[in-house]
Amino acid sequence: AAGVIQSPRHLIKEKRETATLKCYPIPRHDTVYWYQQGPGQDPQFLISFYEKMQSDKGSIPDRFSAQQFSDYHSELNMSSLELGDSALYFCASSFGGYQPQHFGDGTRLSIL
Amino acid sequence: AQTVTQSQPEMSVQEAETVTLSCTYDTSESDYYLFWYKQPPSRQMILVIRQEAYKQQNATENRFSVNFQKAAKSFSLKISDSQLGDAAMYFCAYREKETSGSRLTFGEGTQLTVNP
Repeated sequence: AAGVIQSPRHLIKEKRETATLKCYPIPRHDTVYWYQQGPGQDPQFLISFYEKMQSDKGSIPDRFSAQQFSDYHSELNMSSLELGDSALYFCASSFGGYQPQHFGDGTRLSIL
Repeated sequence: AQTVTQSQPEMSVQEAETVTLSCTYDTSESDYYLFWYKQPPSRQMILVIRQEAYKQQNATENRFSVNFQKAAKSFSLKISDSQLGDAAMYFCAYREKETSGSRLTFGEGTQLTVNP
């Protein structure tokens, strides 16, 4: 079965640079979620979109923005990157906003 | 705000035996979802089992079952006939039911080791 696709799998950036993470949900899934998992930590919710509208917002820094496009894929844009942004970023998707969330394999972002 | 607590940072079990992982949560809602996710060394997040709060019956998925005690706000995961492939970090998670696209709130995780 098709899964959530995230790209890139790994990304290395320097401080103050920008990064864009992409997420392609499971076909027919209309809801996308973003999570950040630091080393040794549980995933922390950033933001979600249902039918291209923001549906829930967590502790996402102002330096980050995200959107969901007409084909339901989503992008997380990160600017002025800091060392503390180094983490595993997960995207998840669901069919409807109430069904279980299925996670992608994550993008590992390293800030040098 | 809802909180999820896993009081066992680490657990170990012998292969083929049974282990129970604990989870408690705090919420003022009457209807919600609870989940257990597994994160193996590959770092994938894999859904193990789901429970809807209004359902009295405990969910079961093959060797995995839960003990859901709504009044006590407790949601433990029992793994029977443990296998080496069960070794992973296990996260308990809560999700409210009212809002579409609502977040998962995770506990701190329990690292499960399976000994041969």
